[in-house]
Amino acid sequence: ETVLTQSPGTLSLSPGERATLSCRASQSVSGNSLAWYQQKPGQAPRLLIYAASSRATGIPDRFSGSGSGADFTLTISRLEPEDFAVYFCQQYGRSLFFGGGTKVEIK
Amino acid sequence: EVQVVESGGALVEPGGSLRLSCVVSGFTFSEAGMNWVRQTPGKGLEWVGRIKSKRAGGTTDYAAPAKGRFSISRDDSQNTLYLQMNSLKTEDTAVYYCATSVPEGGYWGQGTLVTVSS
Repeated sequence: ETVLTQSPGTLSLSPGERATLSCRASQSVSGNSLAWYQQKPGQAPRLLIYAASSRATGIPDRFSGSGSGADFTLTISRLEPEDFAVYFCQQYGRSLFFGGGTKVEIK
Repeated sequence: EVQVVESGGALVEPGGSLRLSCVVSGFTFSEAGMNWVRQTPGKGLEWVGRIKSKRAGGTTDYAAPAKGRFSISRDDSQNTLYLQMNSLKTEDTAVYYCATSVPEGGYWGQGTLVTVSS
């Protein structure tokens, strides 16, 4: 079983600032099968990034993913008001594993 | 536009049963692997299980807490996914989400609340 550890737990930033979120796996993620989602209260999670660095359909280019092996990063280059939300990483494949989430809040 | 809509959540007593449904539209459901995921404030997101497309064998896999108690099935003619939950425990209380596999777009519904309590 893979454990995904996200940091920080909460990120307090202002609109326009850069956000850097980390996801560390307890073992190497096969095939870089790592996704990032955005979740807002009462809404369905939305896929942002898959295969560690590929943007999903319709996702703005201010969102980018990087990393390989066991260390992955989601970067939001310039925060828009609608980007304040919870972000979680997910390893996918035969089964799914999830990180605990990072809340990006307005400073 | 892809839509994923779960239903069937309710308050149920420990030891009881419940069946959740998930109706999908806007993409080719029959060719998609589908998952059930649950979320609680305390434990976060937890994978429950999945079913492959019939073309991929239609097999199911379950997380340890679900094995022997939960069963996933699908009706491709109705674009519907099911989760049959038996012998429910208080720790099964959660919001349950239906989600397509990431290769199929990683679409999720808004979830349905299951509360197991006496």
